[in-house]
Amino acid sequence: DQQVKQNSPSLSVQEGRISILNCDYTNSMFDYFLWYKKYPAEGPTFLISISSIKDKNEDGRFTVFLNKSAKHLSLHIVPSQPGDSAVYFCAASAGQGGSEKLVFGKGMKLTVNP
Amino acid sequence: DTGVSQDPRHKITKRGQNVTFRCDPISEHNRLYWYRQTLGQGPEFLTYFQNEAQLEKSRLLSDRFSAERPKGSFSTLEIQRTEQGDSAMYLCASSLAGRPNYEQYFGPGTRLTVT
Repeated sequence: DQQVKQNSPSLSVQEGRISILNCDYTNSMFDYFLWYKKYPAEGPTFLISISSIKDKNEDGRFTVFLNKSAKHLSLHIVPSQPGDSAVYFCAASAGQGGSEKLVFGKGMKLTVNP
Repeated sequence: DTGVSQDPRHKITKRGQNVTFRCDPISEHNRLYWYRQTLGQGPEFLTYFQNEAQLEKSRLLSDRFSAERPKGSFSTLEIQRTEQGDSAMYLCASSLAGRPNYEQYFGPGTRLTVT
């Protein structure tokens, strides 16, 4: 049972444009959400996170939006750069429920073309 | 480099052999996690420690798998009697308990190939 879903396996955008990566979840106990970026042969790198008490968090070019009623979050990258090309994972935690583990989606490959 | 380190980076072993991986977390982090990632999937949680105590184990962690963190610093993950299905990337992560967020910082992983 996939509790965190990234339904699009890949996305290709032009440099300078916006990249929008989507993620859906099913477990209403999740209270913290994170995005990780992964390059080949490296471990995932933390990018940005959001608590369930917020609906938006911004860090430079990266903004995460959370819609709790729809159980949906998205990562916006503006402007996209070729160095952003990587696999992006959405992850969720039910930390207040006592579990510290992260539950990951399958990932989405972003390609930013020069 | 003060990030999470893992050793070895690659391991090829024959089916039935035992393997052991090591993880050194970020020095001030008291929580340490193990995940497994297979091709086309996101990382899957295996187990985690707070200091030396193992607080949670996934049902994915069969009795052939054992993890330790004897002094609350580095951790080892041992797989006994390896099977081809154990071939995966084994990722270690660490975090600091008590932070208001749950950011976990990952190491580069150990890629296991069972032939």
